[in-house]
Amino acid sequence: AQSVSQHNHHVILSEAASLELGCNYSYGGTVNLFWYVQYPGQHLQLLLKYFSGDPLVKGIKGFEAEFIKSKFSFNLRKPSVQWSDTAEYFCAVNVAGTYKYIFGTGTRLKVLA
Amino acid sequence: SQTIHQWPATLVQPVGSPLSLECTVEGTSNPNLYWYRQAAGRGLQLLFYSVGIGQISSEVPQNLSASRPQDRQFILSSKKLLLSDSGFYLCAWTSGSSSDTQYFGPGTRLTVL
Repeated sequence: AQSVSQHNHHVILSEAASLELGCNYSYGGTVNLFWYVQYPGQHLQLLLKYFSGDPLVKGIKGFEAEFIKSKFSFNLRKPSVQWSDTAEYFCAVNVAGTYKYIFGTGTRLKVLA
Repeated sequence: SQTIHQWPATLVQPVGSPLSLECTVEGTSNPNLYWYRQAAGRGLQLLFYSVGIGQISSEVPQNLSASRPQDRQFILSSKKLLLSDSGFYLCAWTSGSSSDTQYFGPGTRLTVL
């Protein structure tokens, strides 16, 4: 069965620090990849997604993610975090051509002002 | 624009009681609809999804069931709640094509005592 692993469950950073959140999935075929974010008190919302093409994708609020097929990874990055980035981040995988989405366990990011 | 509603927002139920959570989507037609349960440290667990009226796919065998009586209505039910059913239930929708961005509702916090 497909699975998604997010190894960092809790991350605490100071403002202006760089961020990298890991995401690995287990599936050998074609996948579509997503990062969602849940800010305190708000709905889950899309941060960025990868379907095909350039493996480096850019999302909202300065986030980017790189798809490395050989490593089955889709890590999320931001060069300089802000206090407002405090949230929970979820990686998700969709097997191409299916309607199922598999989510990771999430990473809680706290940014200290 | 499209909106997704869930109710109730919070619910406290005794063990063994029935459950009915409702999700409706406005501003779109023929959506794919999803029920997830979000538990602390476990991410989002896909429970059910539906690609059309009366079509339900179950991902996790348990005492929950889902129904889709109308195009934009998705209901999560149980005849007898268990303590382990406590959690945060999220409804989501995507467009009719597979692999699209998911849009999430505000969720229902269920506590079973």
